[in-house]
Amino acid sequence: GDSVTQTEGQVALSEEDFLTIHCNYSASGYPALFWYVQYPGEGPQFLFRASRDKEKGSSRGFEATYDKGTTSFHLRKASVQESDSAVYYCALGDSNSGTYQRFGTGTKLQVVP
Amino acid sequence: GPKVLQIPSHQIIDMGQMVTLNCDPVSNHLYFYWYKQILGQQMEFLVNFYNGKVMEKSKLFKDQFSVERPDGSYFTLKIQPTALEDSAVYFCASSTGLGDQNTLYFGAGTRLSVL
Repeated sequence: GDSVTQTEGQVALSEEDFLTIHCNYSASGYPALFWYVQYPGEGPQFLFRASRDKEKGSSRGFEATYDKGTTSFHLRKASVQESDSAVYYCALGDSNSGTYQRFGTGTKLQVVP
Repeated sequence: GPKVLQIPSHQIIDMGQMVTLNCDPVSNHLYFYWYKQILGQQMEFLVNFYNGKVMEKSKLFKDQFSVERPDGSYFTLKIQPTALEDSAVYFCASSTGLGDQNTLYFGAGTRLSVL
């Protein structure tokens, strides 16, 4: 079945560092890919999505490009801030059922001033 | 932005008892979901619901689980009877369209502790 892999469980950065969180997927066709962010005490919040090869999604300075060739949707931000500290989830629309999203294990980002 | 409310935020219950988790989805949304997250693990799909019926359920959605949304009130997840392995955070979500393509709006979760 479909799956999403996030290789980094935790990432620690200083303010103004460049961020990359890796997301790779396994699915047939062109599933929609999503990034969500979860702050402490809250549920995941939608960041952005992409559904076609080479499509770029972006929001709040974060961006990711759908890459069918490498089956990836890596999250990047040029300059992180302390307020970006949160858990980031990559998700994909399940191609078998077509009715829900599968989530990765999440990456906890901690940014220190 | 749109808000999904979950009540209660934390529920402690003895094994074997019944529990109902309540979700107030975004008002104009038509599709509803429950996800389960055991501490330190990934969020797993349980079930989704549309037009009064379950559309899809995962293998985690045991026979002891049921969902309903009577007359547009709360979307509920009922577990009867509860087991120790049901301890987790349960997230409710809603969307305007099918969940594989559309944004999911999540509540803050209900932490269920089964003793």
